[in-house]
Amino acid sequence: DQQVKQNSPSLSVQEGRISILNCDYTNSMFDYFLWYKKYPAEGPTFLISISSIKDKNEDGRFTVFLNKSAKHLSLHIVPSQPGDSAVYFCAARTGGTSYGKLTFGQGTILTVHP
Amino acid sequence: EAGVAQSPRYKIIEKRQSVAFWCNPISGHATLYWYQQILGQGPKLLIQFQNNGVVDDSQLPKDRFSAERLKGVDSTLKIQPAKLEDSAVYLCASSLGWGGPYEQYFGPGTRLTVT
Repeated sequence: DQQVKQNSPSLSVQEGRISILNCDYTNSMFDYFLWYKKYPAEGPTFLISISSIKDKNEDGRFTVFLNKSAKHLSLHIVPSQPGDSAVYFCAARTGGTSYGKLTFGQGTILTVHP
Repeated sequence: EAGVAQSPRYKIIEKRQSVAFWCNPISGHATLYWYQQILGQGPKLLIQFQNNGVVDDSQLPKDRFSAERLKGVDSTLKIQPAKLEDSAVYLCASSLGWGGPYEQYFGPGTRLTVT
């Protein structure tokens, strides 16, 4: 039972354009959603998060949108840069008594071409 | 600020052998996590410690995997005996706590290959 899904295994974008990465979830108990970025041979690094009571959070070039009715979130990167090329993981945190457990999606490989 | 340290970075063993991984979290972080990441998948939580107590080990295959966190700091994850399907990257992460929007900081991982 995959509660967090990233249906696009890869995305290719031209430098300067917008990158949009998508994520769908099924569990209504998730209270926070996070995006992590991962370079080869490194651990994932935190990028941006959003509370389930918000619909948008922005941090510089990165914006995360949450549509609770559709159980869908997306990460927008504008403008995209070659250094953004990495694997992006969507993660969801279970609220309540689950000790902040994170459930990750499968990841999307983003390639930004110069 | 030093990050999460893990060793070894790579390990190759034969099936039925045993292996151990070590993790040193960021100083002051009370919560420590071990994840398994199989190629092409996202990280999956194996076990979570709050200080030196286990708060979630529901996805840990307890017949072969064990973990401990001594004195609420360093942690070791052991597999005994290993199976082919244990080939994966094992990631350690730490956070200040779990109750708020505390981000998790990940180490570089240990890539395990079981032949």
